[in-house]
Amino acid sequence: QQPVQSPQAVILREGEDAVINCSSSKALYSVHWYRQKHGEAPVFLMILLKGGEQKGHEKISASFNEKKQQSSLYLTASQLSYSGTYFCGTEMGNNAGGTSYGKLTFGQGTILTVHP
Amino acid sequence: DTGVSQNPRHKITKRGQNVTFRCDPISEHNRLYWYRQTLGQGPEFLTYFQNEAQLEKSRLLSDRFSAERPKGSFSTLEIQRTEQGDSAMYLCASSLGEGFRPRSGNTIYFGEGSWLTVV
Repeated sequence: QQPVQSPQAVILREGEDAVINCSSSKALYSVHWYRQKHGEAPVFLMILLKGGEQKGHEKISASFNEKKQQSSLYLTASQLSYSGTYFCGTEMGNNAGGTSYGKLTFGQGTILTVHP
Repeated sequence: DTGVSQNPRHKITKRGQNVTFRCDPISEHNRLYWYRQTLGQGPEFLTYFQNEAQLEKSRLLSDRFSAERPKGSFSTLEIQRTEQGDSAMYLCASSLGEGFRPRSGNTIYFGEGSWLTVV
């Protein structure tokens, strides 16, 4: 049930772009993206819901392919502050096609390192 | 803007002792979650409250773990007879929940976490 993230790690120079992918074998209601720095709590980046609604930070974009149960997070013009571990959290739908109350199953994380 | 607040932030305890963590969610949020995270892993779901009702408990939550949310406000997570395997960061999170518009109100916000070390 755990979603699979790829790649496991990315190294960038400032200004470069990156894409992080998240794939699930289950039908999803929503995908949530978080960034976590060492020793700190996960920080919300983006939520993408079945049906196309999404909400997130201005400088970060993401997509959700409902047919393939895949989501991608696009980091453009990376900054040093983007370094951290990125997690996708997936929420499965219930039998009626609605939410399963926000219980998230997280991937194993993608470590992003941005160098000057 | 007051976020999710957790305390204590760090706790070192001897094996066999009981510990309790407190979580104060964002004030208007009716849903509250507890997760556990170990080094190098993503957070794992433990339990969930809607208002004061505990609606689901993970199989990860053994009988030594108990969570409460009296009056639907703050929540406590108690671990009895701690074991070394309980060492982890315990994360609390909250959200507005279903039925609100926009649906993206289901955004889940995490607290800073409570680190537990059992020695």
